Amino acid sequence: GQQLNQSPQSMFIQEGEDVSMNCTSSSIFNTWLWYKQDPGEGPVLLIALYKAGELTSNGRLTAQFGITRKDSFLNISASIPSDVGIYFCAGRGAVTGGGNKLTFGTGTQLKVEL
Amino acid sequence: DGGITQSPKYLFRKEGQNVTLSCEQNLNHDAMYWYRQDPGQGLRLIYYSQIVNDFQKGDIAEGYSVSREKKESFPLTVTSAQKNPTAFYLCASKQDTGAEAFFGQGTRLTVV
Repeated sequence: GQQLNQSPQSMFIQEGEDVSMNCTSSSIFNTWLWYKQDPGEGPVLLIALYKAGELTSNGRLTAQFGITRKDSFLNISASIPSDVGIYFCAGRGAVTGGGNKLTFGTGTQLKVEL
Repeated sequence: DGGITQSPKYLFRKEGQNVTLSCEQNLNHDAMYWYRQDPGQGLRLIYYSQIVNDFQKGDIAEGYSVSREKKESFPLTVTSAQKNPTAFYLCASKQDTGAEAFFGQGTRLTVV
């Protein structure tokens, strides 16, 4: 099955730095989602994007739905220690034709140095 | 509170035994999903169900079975045919036409 390409695979940054990660696909998606997973827990939804070109913020997080509909970006500003975790992107294609499933990215592991 | 509950959190089984993981949701969601996560890996879809009494295989269904007798429940059985069952299992649910999936806390299965 398809998995989205997410980069970077891991990041080790200083507290207070801004973080950027992205997700690319060979297929067009109608919806992009970003999740965060803490160790030993289930992923938690951070941001949902529904329209190409859309830019949405949730506190220090900002995500964009790429204009080609084949990519998405997540930015975290002024990182803090609790930002540590794995960030996953997920995309959904057309609802018909079996497209109601989400396809997940490979994840970006974020580590924050105090 | 509304949510999706997986149990147990940790599960140990001997090789060759079948084991069933529970997933219950009270969000009135139509669709439910089971994913497997291995260390340092993404989420791989095992099975999903969009309506009661119906389910479809995902990308890695071999060695697993599911049932969907009630809207609220979607148990996953890891059978002895699954060659490498030790993993972190995640259940999710969403509205059938929606995109936003919500996850349970996961079950870590260890087979010894």
